[in-house]
Amino acid sequence: EAQVTQNPRYLITVTGKKLTVTCSQNMNHEYMSWYRQDPGLGLRQIYYSMNVEVTDKGDVPEGYKVSRKEKRNFPLILESPSPNQTSLYFCASSLIPRRETQYFGPGTRLLVL
Amino acid sequence: SQQGEEDPQALSIQEGENATMNCSYKTSINNLQWYRQNSGRGLVHLILIRSNEREKHSGRLRVTLDTSKKSSSLLITASRAADTASYFCATVSEYGNKLVFGAGTILRVKS
Repeated sequence: EAQVTQNPRYLITVTGKKLTVTCSQNMNHEYMSWYRQDPGLGLRQIYYSMNVEVTDKGDVPEGYKVSRKEKRNFPLILESPSPNQTSLYFCASSLIPRRETQYFGPGTRLLVL
Repeated sequence: SQQGEEDPQALSIQEGENATMNCSYKTSINNLQWYRQNSGRGLVHLILIRSNEREKHSGRLRVTLDTSKKSSSLLITASRAADTASYFCATVSEYGNKLVFGAGTILRVKS
């Protein structure tokens, strides 16, 4: 089944404790992206990747890191999480985004205390 | 920065009625996409309409695009309780690759 998976689905952590949220897709998509969703703000893009070893900042990259060592995986890293990073995070993938829709993962709900 | 702005923010209708949601955007686009999100879950793609298209249909969904007004509308006909969800428009700019979302419309269909 074609899908985007994220882990973990729920995470409670404390300020400053490094964490990684994994994202994997099985559709051989070149384009992958991370979004955060906050009430009243819709989805905002954090980082995106056009292909392996090619990543770029989205609209809200501060406090996040990503890597794209393999085509199927695109982990999101929070080196020193802060409470303002409490949010619902989505990973997405697609072929060429200018022409194709994006497939979204189920989301990761993060609470930073 | 948000490109799409949905209107209304929330909509409550009776089952069987039609629901119309509007989206406005600011810059020239390559395409505009509509997504649905059930509470706290991932987004599901509904329709993609390209800048050279004016109308598209998919089942009970009808999307229109007016590039001169930089606006789009999503019409759901004969709504069902299962249509209760948040609906988002998202745009891909004319020369870019990013998908930029609006804040969404919350639709509640009462049975």
